[in-house]
Amino acid sequence: QVQLVQSGAEVKKPGASVKVSCKASGYTFTSYYMHWVRQAPGQGLEWMGIINPSGGSTSYAQKLQGRVTMTRDTSTSTVYMELSSLRSEDTAVYYCARQGVTLDYWGQGTLVTVSS
Amino acid sequence: SYVLTQPPSVSVAPGKTARITCGGNNIGSKSVHWYQQKPGQAPVLVIYYDSDRPSGIPERFSGSNSGNTATLTISRVEAGDEADYYCQVWDSSSDNWVFGGGTKLTVL
Repeated sequence: QVQLVQSGAEVKKPGASVKVSCKASGYTFTSYYMHWVRQAPGQGLEWMGIINPSGGSTSYAQKLQGRVTMTRDTSTSTVYMELSSLRSEDTAVYYCARQGVTLDYWGQGTLVTVSS
Repeated sequence: SYVLTQPPSVSVAPGKTARITCGGNNIGSKSVHWYQQKPGQAPVLVIYYDSDRPSGIPERFSGSNSGNTATLTISRVEAGDEADYYCQVWDSSSDNWVFGGGTKLTVL
């Protein structure tokens, strides 16, 4: 069965960077695009970007351009999302989600807290 | 950028029909997907391509899309349907995926 397992919660100081991982299993990793979506406490879903695990190409939300980097490691079927220059507004649960017809499988979420 | 507008909340009695709208400029020309999110859980896809249901989603869930409004309809609402619901489209002009602000469905 398809599973997306994300790394654990993180606490970071303002200005630091965070890197969240998402390990995929149960399907051919390179056959499906992967998205990252975040959700601030009590807020809605915000799309962050997409990576093609096959070639590594990416596309990011305009709002996050320059601060977000998505990469993948095909040897371990893992995608990564790194967000730099963290600010308090980046405190959120970060999800990876596989794109089948749309976002059909989601990771369990990773809480990133930005606090001094 | 493309904006999707949802009502913040919808309330319905058990056994009745809930309708959650998602407004956007000429949204009828786009494919709309709907997600259900319960507290502390990841979102779950309930409708894709306007009106298709993934396997495992009850037939009580249906969708439509025309003009400037897409609608998620939940028939014979149950207590377990209480959740936040989000619509989502792909905006070709910006190559961005866009979510609506979400609607909290309360079962009275």
